[in-house]
Amino acid sequence: GENVEQHPSTLSVQEGDSAVIKCTYSDSASNYFPWYKQELGKRPQLIIDIRSNVGEKKDQRIAVTLNKTAKHFSLHITETQPEDSAVYFCAATSIDDSYDKVIFGPGTSLSVIP
Amino acid sequence: GAGVSQSPRYKVAKRGQDVALRCDPISGHVSLFWYQQALGQGPEFLTYFQNEAQLDKSGLPSDRFFAERPEGSVSTLKIQRTQQEDSAVYLCASSLVGSHTEAFFGQGTRLTVV
Repeated sequence: GENVEQHPSTLSVQEGDSAVIKCTYSDSASNYFPWYKQELGKRPQLIIDIRSNVGEKKDQRIAVTLNKTAKHFSLHITETQPEDSAVYFCAATSIDDSYDKVIFGPGTSLSVIP
Repeated sequence: GAGVSQSPRYKVAKRGQDVALRCDPISGHVSLFWYQQALGQGPEFLTYFQNEAQLDKSGLPSDRFFAERPEGSVSTLKIQRTQQEDSAVYLCASSLVGSHTEAFFGQGTRLTVV
């Protein structure tokens, strides 16, 4: 089955700097990769996702890149702000006709220092 | 409501007690997922419904765990004879389509077994 690894487990950056979180997956059949942000005690919120037919996707200060050959994808946050502090989870699944479960990474705790 | 609603938000159960956790998905959402999230870890898949059909229950940790979605809307996760290792946050997510695409999470139920 699918296995998702995520690094680093904790990340601390100065406000205004960039933050990068990297994930790898094992199942080449995976073709959908969402990223979730979870603030303490709150629900995970989808912040961006990418499908395997796209190499990069950007939404304001957040971008995700995907390298299918190497089976890794990354989240990039630019101009970080204190409100970006949270735990970020990557995930992988297949959304073809046959259902496949979503496998989450272990999470990255991001702290943005004012 | 506009989002995924879960109840209760908090549940304290004595070891051996049965519990029932409820999930109200977004109206019209076809897919419904249950996850277990231990402290400091990513969500772990438990089970998946497409409408009223339970298509995948491979993540349920034991036969003490049972989930249903009889009318394809509200779902209930039942845990019988709770044990301390069942203590976790139980998250529900729903998606408009028959996959995890753009799935939205509820706030979860924090279960503590004493």
